[in-house]
Amino acid sequence: AQSVTQLDSHVSVSEGTPVLLRCNYSSSYSPSLFWYVQHPNKGLQLLLKYTSAATLVKGINGFEAEFKKSETSFHLTKPSAHMSDAAEYFCAALSGGYNKLIFGAGTRLAVHP
Amino acid sequence: GAVVSQHPSWVICKSGTSVKIECRSLDFQATTMFWYRQFPKQSLMLMATSNEGSKATYEQGVEKDKFLINHASLTLSTLTVTSAHPEDSSFYICSACSLRGGEQYFGPGTRLTVT
Repeated sequence: AQSVTQLDSHVSVSEGTPVLLRCNYSSSYSPSLFWYVQHPNKGLQLLLKYTSAATLVKGINGFEAEFKKSETSFHLTKPSAHMSDAAEYFCAALSGGYNKLIFGAGTRLAVHP
Repeated sequence: GAVVSQHPSWVICKSGTSVKIECRSLDFQATTMFWYRQFPKQSLMLMATSNEGSKATYEQGVEKDKFLINHASLTLSTLTVTSAHPEDSSFYICSACSLRGGEQYFGPGTRLTVT
C-alpha cells in the first residue's frame, strides 16, 4: 500500500536561511507526488507536483522539490525563507487508479526574524 | 482558473441538529469531488469520494448515514452532517477534479463547531 512519511513534525528556521522539509514515500510504481501549503484556517494551496517528467520540480514562491527514486524521497526546499512561509506543509501521493490523495502528517514551518 | 468555494466558511450549531456544507467548482466541471476532515494540528483524512450522478464512496470507518454526500451536478457537492455532536466539530475541506485531469483543487474549508 502507498504511504507518505514526513520526517519532521516541526521545522524552525531563521528568515533568509534555507528551508528543507523532508518527505518519503512508499509505492510499488512511479507515483505522482505533491506538496501543499496550508495557512491557518485555510484550504490547501498546491506548491508543486511531480508526475514522472523532470525530477527537479519548481513550484511557486521559490520552492522546489527533487524526486529521488533511489531514496524514495521528494524533499521540499527553498534557498531563503521568508516570514510569510510560516505555515503547515503537506506532502501527498496520488493513489494508483483511484485518484485519491494520500497525505503525510504535515510539517509545521516556523520562520524567525 | 480552477477555483473551488465552500459555504459556509464557518458554522456553529447545537448538538442534535443537521448542517449542510456546499462545495462548488466555480470555473470548471468536476466529475469527482472529495471530502476531507481535519482535526486541529493533524493531517487531512479522506472521508468520501463523490462522483456526479452516483452514490458516494465512503472510506472505512466513516458513517455514511451520518455524513450524507450528494453530488447532483458537475459543479456542486454537498456534505450534510446529520444529528451533529460535539465530536463532529472539525475543519471540513472539499476538493474537486476537473474533467481533463486528476489534479485536485481544494476549497478553503468549513469550520464546524457543535455546541
